[in-house]
This record gives sequence, structure tokens and C-alpha cells, in this order.
Amino acid sequence: KAGVTQTPRYLIKTRGQQVTLSCSPISGHRSVSWYQQTPGQGLQFLFEYFSETQRNKGNFPGRFSGRQFSNSRSEMNVSTLELGDSALYLCASSRYSGSYEQYFGPGTRLTVT
Amino acid sequence: GIQVEQSPPDLILQEGANSTLRCNFSDSVNNLQWFHQNPWGQLINLFYIPSGTKQNGRLSATTVATERYSLLYISSSQTTDSGVYFCAVGGQAGTALIFGKGTTLSVSS
Repeated sequence: KAGVTQTPRYLIKTRGQQVTLSCSPISGHRSVSWYQQTPGQGLQFLFEYFSETQRNKGNFPGRFSGRQFSNSRSEMNVSTLELGDSALYLCASSRYSGSYEQYFGPGTRLTVT
Repeated sequence: GIQVEQSPPDLILQEGANSTLRCNFSDSVNNLQWFHQNPWGQLINLFYIPSGTKQNGRLSATTVATERYSLLYISSSQTTDSGVYFCAVGGQAGTALIFGKGTTLSVSS
């Protein structure tokens, strides 16, 4: 069974631009969560989508948004990029929403210049 | 919110040595996972262990939920075990995992 896939793997953007990252969960998994990893803040939860609905949201500004499609694939968008948005963005999938084992993709490394 | 503390922050071992990594959490949890982050950043699942004991080869883990801690044991460590080990917990509120700061393990030959 294929794992979680994320595209693109690397991205360089300029301050003020916007970016869209994509995540395809493991087949049969319906929950997709997004996390941000930075050297200063570590791994932090951004949001979770289940059945095309946002179920939970972390403490991030409204510039961070996401959506989920009917095939469970998810995208996250960051608008008006700031230098501090440079990070590794990780997507995780689980079979259902709640206390289920999560499986992570390889991540998208975003650099904002 | 739930606080997760991992210890030690850094661990340096010779190949063949054993080690114990600890994860303390501040409230009751419904989910606890151990991960190994590889050099390219991917989080590799080691254990899903909200309670009890599990073993997988040279690795084993124990979670004592009533005392709010989990332990990851690595026996006969190899250089390929090097990397960062994360403990992450999920509380009552749902899916969100709260991560500790990790333990960086360096195994030399």
C-alpha cells in the first residue's frame, strides 16, 4: 500500500507571495492533518480535515488555510508569505478522525526569501 | 493544553549499547506515538502505544498511562538508529498530536 505523498517536496517563494501544498493520504484514510516544523517552535499542529470538513485547528493565523476534496486529498494554502513561514510542512493521514494512528508523508520544505 | 517533555535531549552512544528514552505528559491521553525522524525529515512510525507494552525487533516501548509517561528502549544500537526520536500525544479533543522537543541520538561505530 502506498504511503502518504506530498508535493512539491521543495519550494522557494518570495515574501508576500502565496503557496499551495498538496497531500494525498494512504488509500482508505479519510483524515488528513497538517503540521509545521521549525527549529525554534518544533512540530506544531496546523489543522485537520475529515470528510471535507475542518475538524480541528491549531493556533496559526488566518493566512494558513486548507481544504479537503471528496477523494480525501488535501491542500493547504499560505497567503502573504512571511520569512517566518519557512519550515518543513508535514501531512499525516489516519483512517478516521480521533485517536487513530497517524502516518506522515515526506514533507514539503518551504523557503521564503 | 497538554505538555510533553522528552529526556534526555541528546544521547551519544557507541554501537551495541542500549538506551532508554523517556516521554512525560501532563494530562490523560487517548493517543501516544513514537517516531524516528530520518535525515530527510520524514517521520517514521515506531509505535502506536497509548497504553501497555509493545516490541518490534530491537525496539520496545512501554506506556504507563496512569503515571503519564512512556519509555522507548533501543537495544544493541546501530549507526542507522541515529536521528531524532519524537514522542507525540493526542488528548481528548481529537486528532491533533502534540509533540515533544525530541531526543537526538548519535550512534558511533
